[in-house]
Amino acid sequence: QVQLQESGPGLVKPSETLSLTCTFSGGSTSTYYWSWIRQPAGKGLEWIGRIYISGHIDCNPSLKSRVTMSIDTSKNQFSLSLTSVTAADTAVYYCARGNGDYHYDYWGRGTLVTVSS
Amino acid sequence: DIVMTQSPLSLPVTPGEPASISCRSSQSLLLSNGYNYLDWYLQKPGQSPQLLIYMTSNRASGVPDRFTGSGSGTDFTLKISRVEAEDVGVYYCMQAVQVPYIFGQGTKLDIK
Repeated sequence: QVQLQESGPGLVKPSETLSLTCTFSGGSTSTYYWSWIRQPAGKGLEWIGRIYISGHIDCNPSLKSRVTMSIDTSKNQFSLSLTSVTAADTAVYYCARGNGDYHYDYWGRGTLVTVSS
Repeated sequence: DIVMTQSPLSLPVTPGEPASISCRSSQSLLLSNGYNYLDWYLQKPGQSPQLLIYMTSNRASGVPDRFTGSGSGTDFTLKISRVEAEDVGVYYCMQAVQVPYIFGQGTKLDIK
């Protein structure tokens, strides 16, 4: 069974860098892409970006200057870094597996990241 | 960016009755391969989103056949033939024809 699990600090100070890791298991890596999606409390879903095992990355232009993503297939992990965070970055962050037919078939449970001093 | 607009935003439904959610995109989601890249997700209370429908009309594994997706181009619909209590939550459409992928605002379905 495919599983994804987000991990990382739940509290980040303003202007600092948010760093999250998603560990996946139960499936191959080569035929999928791996994404981050976030959801502020009580609001909708915002697509952050995706990474392929080739290293190719697509990011939301609204966040592109602050986002870095990486993938380590030897550890079955991919990561997100978001720099210069503000309170507007407070959200539940989900990692998800993207299928070749361009949909997300598996999601992590999400991790709440709060930006506050 | 493509703009995704869902309606209604709130949908109270009596169990056993049908329900319908509309999703409109600001650009066509139809590619030259003939497929429309529009997905539907359900986020049940306290849970992460789960895939219901992909490429407009394909039910994900384990999704009951009371869920039906249809549409083409810029107009799409998710229909539930007979709503059950377990169907409560927020329904999102998502376009996957170009990055950034964009979700609709969400439609909250609850039971009357």
